[in-house]
Amino acid sequence: AQKVTQAQTEISVVEKEDVTLDCVYETRDTTYYLFWYKQPPSGELVFLIRRNSFDEQNEISGRYSWNFQKSTSSFNFTITASQVVDSAVYFCALSEAISGGSYIPTFGRGTSLIVHP
Amino acid sequence: NAGVTQTPKFQVLKTGQSMTLQCAQDMNHNSMYWYRQDPGMGLRLIYYSASEGTTDKGEVPNGYNVSRLNKREFSLRLESAAPSQTSVYFCASQRQDYEQYFGPGTRLTVT
Repeated sequence: AQKVTQAQTEISVVEKEDVTLDCVYETRDTTYYLFWYKQPPSGELVFLIRRNSFDEQNEISGRYSWNFQKSTSSFNFTITASQVVDSAVYFCALSEAISGGSYIPTFGRGTSLIVHP
Repeated sequence: NAGVTQTPKFQVLKTGQSMTLQCAQDMNHNSMYWYRQDPGMGLRLIYYSASEGTTDKGEVPNGYNVSRLNKREFSLRLESAAPSQTSVYFCASQRQDYEQYFGPGTRLTVT
């Protein structure tokens, strides 16, 4: 079973539509970290947000918002009024502690978002 | 401030050839990582180094070796390349709050 599941392989929307990218994770740890990264067509990976397991407060940054719900083990990402520049592959990741105290991330398989003009 | 740099950007190898992918970071991070990215598979961890002088296997270490040369540099070596190692390779360094910074990637083709 995957530790991080991004069930939506590809989403296609028209500009100005709202879109939500789903992320479901699996862990037995009480302390862990969740992330979203963006990979635009140019190929680089860009950090978007980090959440720790003790902070369930939702976050908004401009058109981006994140909904963290421990009860459903989900960390969903919503883009409001999508734009063509939002077209990218988005990865959700979970960092858990391993022996030795290091936190090692596991990435989901990514959701490809295509925003049409 | 260059962040994370990787060389080369592109490489074509024949089966059985060897090569080393170089990675360097200038952010004074302790932890560094090597991933491979294949279509539909996301990023899979090959090896990581939690601190200078230590390295550990990730999810897909077979066929690879690594060296943490110093705090800045973390190299990935393919001793005998196979077509299954055709992929895009990313190096990353990690801040203390676990945010990762990625290099631009190396696109490797093994024929």
